Amino acid sequence: DTGVSQNPRHKITKRGQNVTFRCDPISEHNRLYWYRQTLGQGPEFLTYFQNEAQLEKSRLLSDRFSAERPKGSFSTLEIQRTEQGDSAMYLCASSQTGGANQPQHFGDGTRLSIL
Amino acid sequence: DQQVKQNSPSLSVQEGRISILNCDYTNSMFDYFLWYKKYPAEGPTFLISISSIKDKNEDGRFTVFLNKSAKHLSLHIVPSQPGDSAVYFCAASWLGYTGNQFYFGTGTSLTVIP
Repeated sequence: DTGVSQNPRHKITKRGQNVTFRCDPISEHNRLYWYRQTLGQGPEFLTYFQNEAQLEKSRLLSDRFSAERPKGSFSTLEIQRTEQGDSAMYLCASSQTGGANQPQHFGDGTRLSIL
Repeated sequence: DQQVKQNSPSLSVQEGRISILNCDYTNSMFDYFLWYKKYPAEGPTFLISISSIKDKNEDGRFTVFLNKSAKHLSLHIVPSQPGDSAVYFCAASWLGYTGNQFYFGTGTSLTVIP
């Protein structure tokens, strides 16, 4: 059973650098989500793809953040000119489409630490 | 604006007893609710869900209750086991919203004492 895979698991970088994370969803899932989680909080929605189309972006997603899902399979999340406040766990989730709601299945996340 | 709230940051329960985790929400549009379990260094794992047309859903030792009028749901774990020790997140969404974005609470850390 191949679940949602995220790479890298940890990323440490200096303030001002660019970082890119990758997410490989469950293969038959059309929907892909990015969330951010900080200490003591629940996951907060960042953006959502259905296939390759980015259909929703949170106001949390500043212009330094960009996400892509070019072929409707894996997705990347890039943060440019990182800031201290970007330190967080970045979670990717995927789900199936369908008439009824479907649970989202999460990866283990990428922990970003900004020095 | 926190639309899903878990007001108890932590809960300790003796092994074999019932664990009750609570969650409140403010958005009356929500019609789909889930519980996730999270171990350290892992992503949240889906546990159980309920749609607003039901008031109870059961899966083994886990039961979720929904009180729409009170905008409240709860997760019951019976009997509690040490392996249930984790952080539990409540989440909510609504059908018809194209993004199907989930709104999460801040979590309740459950400790089951052997």
